Amino acid sequence: DIQMTQSPSSLSASVGDRVTITCRASQAISNSLAWYQHEPGKAPKLLLLAASRLESGVPSRFSGSGSGTDYTLTVSSLQPEDFATYYCQQYYSSPQTFGQGTKVEIK
Amino acid sequence: QLQESGPELVKPSETLSLTCTVSGDSISSGGYFWGWLRQPPGKGLEWIASIYHSGNTYYNPSLRSRVTISVDTSKNHFSLKLSSVNAADTAVYYCTRHYSSGWHNSWGLGTLVTVSS
Repeated sequence: DIQMTQSPSSLSASVGDRVTITCRASQAISNSLAWYQHEPGKAPKLLLLAASRLESGVPSRFSGSGSGTDYTLTVSSLQPEDFATYYCQQYYSSPQTFGQGTKVEIK
Repeated sequence: QLQESGPELVKPSETLSLTCTVSGDSISSGGYFWGWLRQPPGKGLEWIASIYHSGNTYYNPSLRSRVTISVDTSKNHFSLKLSSVNAADTAVYYCTRHYSSGWHNSWGLGTLVTVSS
């Protein structure tokens, strides 16, 4: 199985901050990477697929980049509704696997 | 919209059974796969299994021997059975809709299933 390692596991930030989360795969995954946002009590939400393609309806302050084994999710200006846990997922090979999550908390 | 249902408490060695009811979409219309994932307390997400409306099934090899996924297009729902459960199977179980490529574009709220005597 491909192991997905996210960092950091948690971070504290303020509204308006630029935030970057990293996801590293144990082998190259050819941009077959999705990012999800999970707020407590809500269903997880797809943010990006194919490493950098924004899902319909997702604000443009979210962006993704990367290649090979290393990928990043960036929130350009953190908003109050962005405080949540974020997960990466590789779907390059089965079984699909997820990172452990990054919790973004209010500073 | 997806909604998980089933017992919240299951005894060790018994079978965990969950159903996901789909609304606002038709499983039989095709185009999507329907899946189950879980998240044990304090741990990451784990894909369990997926099914297509035709009945084609896909399983995580780590759980394959204990899992059965099925679909009932007449009721517009799909189900998960996990046999011989133990404490390590305690988790929030999610049902999802996903593309063949694998990304999940719709999720249920999840249901916590505890394995305990």
